[in-house]
Amino acid sequence: QSVLTQPSSSSTTPGQRVTISCSGGTSNIGSNNVYWYQQFPGSAPKLLIYRDDQRPSGVPDRFSGSKSGTSASLVISGLRSEDEADYYCAAWDDSLNVVAFGGGTKVTVL
Amino acid sequence: EVQLVQSGAEVKKPGATAKISCKISGYTFIDYYLHWVQQAPGKGLQWMGHVDPENGQTMKAEKFQDRVTITADTATDTAYMELSSLRSEDTAVYFCATSFLLGIGAFWGQGTLVTVSS
Repeated sequence: QSVLTQPSSSSTTPGQRVTISCSGGTSNIGSNNVYWYQQFPGSAPKLLIYRDDQRPSGVPDRFSGSKSGTSASLVISGLRSEDEADYYCAAWDDSLNVVAFGGGTKVTVL
Repeated sequence: EVQLVQSGAEVKKPGATAKISCKISGYTFIDYYLHWVQQAPGKGLQWMGHVDPENGQTMKAEKFQDRVTITADTATDTAYMELSSLRSEDTAVYFCATSFLLGIGAFWGQGTLVTVSS
């Protein structure tokens, strides 16, 4: 059971918008930065969003992050076939003293 | 260019110990935490712990508290993760990741597969 809760899957057609939620609590999302990662099968995760809503250099602006209270969201606008991957959220948890990950969301492009 | 290069795959028998290395380049090793993350086959990411290379202090997840040793060698800019008393459920890919500039998981190693089998 993950500390952060994400939907296990999401699917939609190219060009559409996908929103992935990440629900936590006051000890993690509510008080610390949220990070989002993209992972393709057989590859290492890649940082997509840091400090809630910041994009690293090279990450397309169709990826955006936001946070409100104890929940965060990753939005992929204008979905492309190459965005088909697993997406994970993460945040430090002050109570457990761990980096808490969400269970991951598999995005399928129909 | 920031790079984290991990050691190669290992096959271990139950009860043995695996030791994985993660050599960093492209930034100052002692300035940022180095994390270790486990990913079992078909499963999600699980944080194991991190080391502060500047002073060697570590923090570990409770699940791995007794069996994981995380160290940092500042002479070679290399971090190590040792997992002892291996069991079949430890079969997984293990990643190192740095907090360089951007925070948790800013850059990742390529992963090391540890297979535990008799």
